[in-house]
Amino acid sequence: LAKTTQPISMDSYEGQEVNITCSHNNIATNDYITWYQQFPSQGPRFIIQGYKTKVTNEVASLFIPADRKSSTLSLPRVSLSDTAVYYCLVGEGRDDKIIFGKGTRLHILP
Amino acid sequence: DGGITQSPKYLFRKEGQNVTLSCEQNLNHDAMYWYRQDPGQGLRLIYYSQIVNDFQKGDIAEGYSVSREKKESFPLTVTSAQKNPTAFYLCASSTKLAGVVEQYFGPGTRLTVT
Repeated sequence: LAKTTQPISMDSYEGQEVNITCSHNNIATNDYITWYQQFPSQGPRFIIQGYKTKVTNEVASLFIPADRKSSTLSLPRVSLSDTAVYYCLVGEGRDDKIIFGKGTRLHILP
Repeated sequence: DGGITQSPKYLFRKEGQNVTLSCEQNLNHDAMYWYRQDPGQGLRLIYYSQIVNDFQKGDIAEGYSVSREKKESFPLTVTSAQKNPTAFYLCASSTKLAGVVEQYFGPGTRLTVT
């Protein structure tokens, strides 16, 4: 399983765009990149998943460069309610062992 | 409403006692997982099961046991052999749709052992 590296914490302000980058130098050909969001005392919630280039949904965008050794989760116009821990996961996208790292603690300020 | 339920939300036990945490899903998912989370830390995988009557150890299986007799249920037993059982326990199931694997998590059980 590819190891991921993310910043431990980030601060931003309401209304800003926030970009969280994840490094995964050992990503394998079959690996997908998935991001989850977790609020305190709750289970993580799926945000977005991608394989290459750009993926966008109603919540976020995921940018993946051609070498796929990193990825960037982009949250447009954040609000206070986006304060949470964000996890980057890399795996084969199958129903098997799914490993979470320590995540990035995002703190949105008013 | 489809989802994952975990009960109870808070659980208190004395040291040396085994305790079983419940996890039920009505999403018709084949795969189910148990994670442990300590304060300020990420999730660590305890056990996972891809199909009924089959399960595999995760990274921190020692002191835990599971069963998967039904598709809907994946109970976790924290045994007295687990040296530091106080933690937040999360159960999840997963599905694959259009090539995307998505995990759904329950609300968690906070276990305190004294």
